[in-house]
Amino acid sequence: QAQLVQSGAEVKKPGSSVKVSCKASGGTVSKYAISWVRQAPGQGLEWMGAIIHMFGNVKYSQNFQGRVTITADESTSTAYMELSSLKFEDTAVYYCARAPYIRFDSYFDHWGQGTLVTVSS
Amino acid sequence: EIVMTQSPVTLSVSPGERATLSCRASQSVNNNLAWYQQKPGQPPRLLIYGASTRATGIPARFSGSGSGTEFTLTISSLQSEDFAVYYCHLYNSWLGTFGPGTKVDIK
Repeated sequence: QAQLVQSGAEVKKPGSSVKVSCKASGGTVSKYAISWVRQAPGQGLEWMGAIIHMFGNVKYSQNFQGRVTITADESTSTAYMELSSLKFEDTAVYYCARAPYIRFDSYFDHWGQGTLVTVSS
Repeated sequence: EIVMTQSPVTLSVSPGERATLSCRASQSVNNNLAWYQQKPGQPPRLLIYGASTRATGIPARFSGSGSGTEFTLTISSLQSEDFAVYYCHLYNSWLGTFGPGTKVDIK
């Protein structure tokens, strides 16, 4: 059974960066597309970007262009999402989500447990 | 960019009743439409993909339908564990787009 396990909660200051990890078990991180989706408190879901590590392809939402970097490490089967120049409005739960195929245009059949990132001065 | 809307924002239903949730796309799309259920403090759970295919382990009371710009998630007889927020998700391109969600609560 595939499982995605994310790193723990973070508290960051405005202007700093945060890096969230997502370890994939039950298969390597290269076999699937891994997306990052965030959810601000009491709000809906927002797609941030995705990686297909096998092909070295990464896509980003324009809403985060220039501030988000998604990477993956095959040796540890872990995907990462780094968000820079943090603002108060970046306070949210960040999820990694796996597509069942090696393609970006897919639904998500497995989700990580979520990582709360709080931006506070 | 395609915009997804969902209605109603909140749906109040009694246990055992039928619930019908709508998702509309701003332009005609193919059937690359998924539905997720989310409960407080939990990640979303895949219910339906391809507009009408139930995901593994999803009870038969959940069904999806629709095409073009209009899609529907129907819960035939609401159980206590079904009270949650439901999101539709368009995945017809690399840019995934979620609807704003419909909250199903107890009447």
